[in-house]
Amino acid sequence: QSVLTQPPSVSGAPGQRVTISCTGSSSNIGAGYDVHWYQHLPGTAPRLLIFGNSNRPSGVPDRFSASRSDTSASLAITGLQAEDEAHYYCQSYDNRLGGFVVFGTGTEVIVL
Amino acid sequence: ELVESGGGLVQPGRSLRLSCAASGFSFEDYAMHWVRQAPGKGLEFVSSINWNGGDTDYADSLKGRFTISRDNAKNSLYLQMNSLRPEDMALYYCGKGWGIDSHNGGPIDFWGRGTLVTVSS
Repeated sequence: QSVLTQPPSVSGAPGQRVTISCTGSSSNIGAGYDVHWYQHLPGTAPRLLIFGNSNRPSGVPDRFSASRSDTSASLAITGLQAEDEAHYYCQSYDNRLGGFVVFGTGTEVIVL
Repeated sequence: ELVESGGGLVQPGRSLRLSCAASGFSFEDYAMHWVRQAPGKGLEFVSSINWNGGDTDYADSLKGRFTISRDNAKNSLYLQMNSLRPEDMALYYCGKGWGIDSHNGGPIDFWGRGTLVTVSS
């Protein structure tokens, strides 16, 4: 039930900047619901990276930033590091069918 | 901490009950969620429950087969899964919500490590 679309993968060399898009619709991001971002490494628990569109939880480096506009959002990683190689997911809320949590399709970040 | 349990190998059509034991926070003050990840796939919303169990949500494809519940006295979250199908095979995560309401659009700010459900004959 992924209604938020992300690119399958993005790549960059160490030190570079990469961005991940998250495209929704008028029933989720466009309806004003916040967007949150998670980092997920295989075999581990997903980690909340960004909440409320652009806020970083304690302990998340300021290399990670995000924004939201209209029906989409984006996550940026500046100064890319090898440890950033992971899957990233956006998440919001959709108000159809009584309302439900929605995740993006996921993006693999590859550090070259 | 969130620790999931109850996963395992089950035949198609059978049932399984997952549990999630919570500690380190006031369990009754938060909505809770189940999210799954099938092999090679992304994260998928399964179900949410508000602080007292009075409000629940399910992924549209799972309605009628899965039931979420909680026991605040035991700091535990549950997922009853009936009529399991091969496509239900996944790693099931429980997650802590943002406040008491499961409809507030907040993040899942803490996750367990998951329990693996395998559906096969």
